[in-house]
Amino acid sequence: AQSVSQHNHHVILSEAASLELGCNYSYGGTVNLFWYVQYPGQHLQLLLKYFSGDPLVKGIKGFEAEFIKSKFSFNLRKPSVQWSDTAEYFCALSSTNKLIFGTGTLLAVQP
Amino acid sequence: EAQVTQNPRYLITVTGKKLTVTCSQNMNHEYMSWYRQDPGLGLRQIYYSMNVEVTDKGDVPEGYKVSRKEKRNFPLILESPSPNQTSLYFCASSYVRGGAETQYFGPGTRLLVL
Repeated sequence: AQSVSQHNHHVILSEAASLELGCNYSYGGTVNLFWYVQYPGQHLQLLLKYFSGDPLVKGIKGFEAEFIKSKFSFNLRKPSVQWSDTAEYFCALSSTNKLIFGTGTLLAVQP
Repeated sequence: EAQVTQNPRYLITVTGKKLTVTCSQNMNHEYMSWYRQDPGLGLRQIYYSMNVEVTDKGDVPEGYKVSRKEKRNFPLILESPSPNQTSLYFCASSYVRGGAETQYFGPGTRLLVL
């Protein structure tokens, strides 16, 4: 069965620290992967997506993710976080007729 | 502005009182879907629709109904709400089957069933 795992449930960082959020997926075929962000009280917004091509994907707000097929991973990174990055982050895998979401990672950035 | 709208945004109700959450999109998307978000569980799909009059169950359809009479609207119906349906609900839409295409999400409806 297809699944997405996010092992970091809560992450607390200080401003300017580097960020890496883990995402692993289980799927044997061609994958389409997404990272969504949900700021407090808001709806999900797309950060970035991978369909094919360059495995290093750049998204909005300085985020990037690297697709490593051999590790079944799609980790999200940002070199220097800001207080405004405080949010919940969801990794998702595209499946037939739906997105399969991970359980999310709550990121709190301390000023 | 391209968007997905949901109403109401917040709703408190009592067990057994039928309710409808509306969802509308202005992007002419064929595909629409409902998800519920619960702490520690992420988002799970309730129902989806490939086009007008075409709907199908997602992973957690029990206790919910949907209809797709018009392309832009996809209401979620709780005929007899129960406390375990207390959750945050999101509607989403996209151009194709919700697979490779990016899904656009509405602002969410927070439901409390007493």
